Amino acid sequence: GDQVEQSPSALSLHEGTGSALRCNFTTTMRAVQWFQQNSRGSLINLFYLASGTKENGRLKSTFNSKESYSTLHIRDAQLEDSGTYFCAAEGFYNQGKLIFGQGTKLSIKP
Amino acid sequence: GGIITQTPKFLIGQEGQKLTLKCQQNFNHDTMYWYRQDSGKGLRLIYYSITENDLQKGDLSEGYDASREKKSSFSLTVTSAQKNEMAVFLCASSIRDTLYFGAGTRLSVL
Repeated sequence: GDQVEQSPSALSLHEGTGSALRCNFTTTMRAVQWFQQNSRGSLINLFYLASGTKENGRLKSTFNSKESYSTLHIRDAQLEDSGTYFCAAEGFYNQGKLIFGQGTKLSIKP
Repeated sequence: GGIITQTPKFLIGQEGQKLTLKCQQNFNHDTMYWYRQDSGKGLRLIYYSITENDLQKGDLSEGYDASREKKSSFSLTVTSAQKNEMAVFLCASSIRDTLYFGAGTRLSVL
């Protein structure tokens, strides 16, 4: 079935630095979403993309459907950015069925 | 703004017991989802529903039933709880593909 491979599984950054998270898809996906899960377990929707790039504050996400990947860039990381980040994607032939990646656990150090 | 309410927040069951989890949303969203999250892992789709009285199986539907009798509510039944099972069950709803999550029901089986 459709698979979403997320990397890295864990990432540690110092405050003020940045990095990128990535999701690769085994089939062509219609759209991707990115979520942050905080320490209390709440999932917050960060981005929805059907194509191209979106930016919100220190976060930027890109979705390349043709090459089957999406990225989430974090710049100037802050302590409150800590948490687990998930991507989720929907195939063209399964309306409404979102498949989640395994997540990237992000730790921000002072 | 809307809210997704999951009840109960914590559920302790006995092996073999039938357990029901409830989810209500006041977004007036068409599509609703049930996901299971095991500790330190990603979300796996159990059931979803694209409209009232519709049910679609996810990858993890075995051992579960679901019911969408009203647009605003989506319930999930664990048909026979497994001993030592521990997981968080997350309900979500979506419109135009952006997903919003409830706070979760934490299940422990003794």
